[in-house]
Amino acid sequence: GAVVSQHPSWVICKSGTSVKIECRSLDFQATTMFWYRQFPKQSLMLMATSNEGSKATYEQGVEKDKFLINHASLTLSTLTVTSAHPEDSSFYICSAIGYELYGYTFGSGTRLTVV
Amino acid sequence: EDKVVQSPLSLVVHEGDTVTLNCSYEVTNFRSLLWYKQEKKAPTFLFMLTSSGIEKKSGRLSSILDKKELFSILNITATQTGDSAVYLCATNNQAGTALIFGKGTTLSVSS
Repeated sequence: GAVVSQHPSWVICKSGTSVKIECRSLDFQATTMFWYRQFPKQSLMLMATSNEGSKATYEQGVEKDKFLINHASLTLSTLTVTSAHPEDSSFYICSAIGYELYGYTFGSGTRLTVV
Repeated sequence: EDKVVQSPLSLVVHEGDTVTLNCSYEVTNFRSLLWYKQEKKAPTFLFMLTSSGIEKKSGRLSSILDKKELFSILNITATQTGDSAVYLCATNNQAGTALIFGKGTTLSVSS
């Protein structure tokens, strides 16, 4: 079945630094990639939607200059959390859809802790 | 505003019990409703429902959609401890692209 590989699975960084999270579709072309954030005991909240080769569309309240999304190819999308702060600590998950895919395929998630 | 509401938020049962999880939705441009199981990491896909009244079944799990009443249920029969997880219900957003999720139902199955 369709697989999305997400790295890293967890990361700890210092406040003020930037962190990049990668999602790769391994056996299909991801035409659209979604980035979600999940705080403890909360549901997944959509942050942004990116189509290959286009600028990402951000949900209301999500700072596009802070959460940089790049979807330069049909198999790779990245989320960079710039100048991270402790309140950015969360579980970040990507999800992809592609041609002839049944349902959405999720990456395994990245646990970000900012200290 | 599009929304997905799940109930109950948490549930504790004994092995062998049958459980029913509920999901109601309000979406401007409904296309499909999906159920996911989330353990420690990312959600794993269970079902996608697009038509009313047609039950989808996978082993001990089954789900059905009522588009008139705007809800879906997920049934799990003969529960096992491995069924302990958060069950998420989702539907498409107004643009019809991304998913919007309910808060989930945390199911705990004790032996």
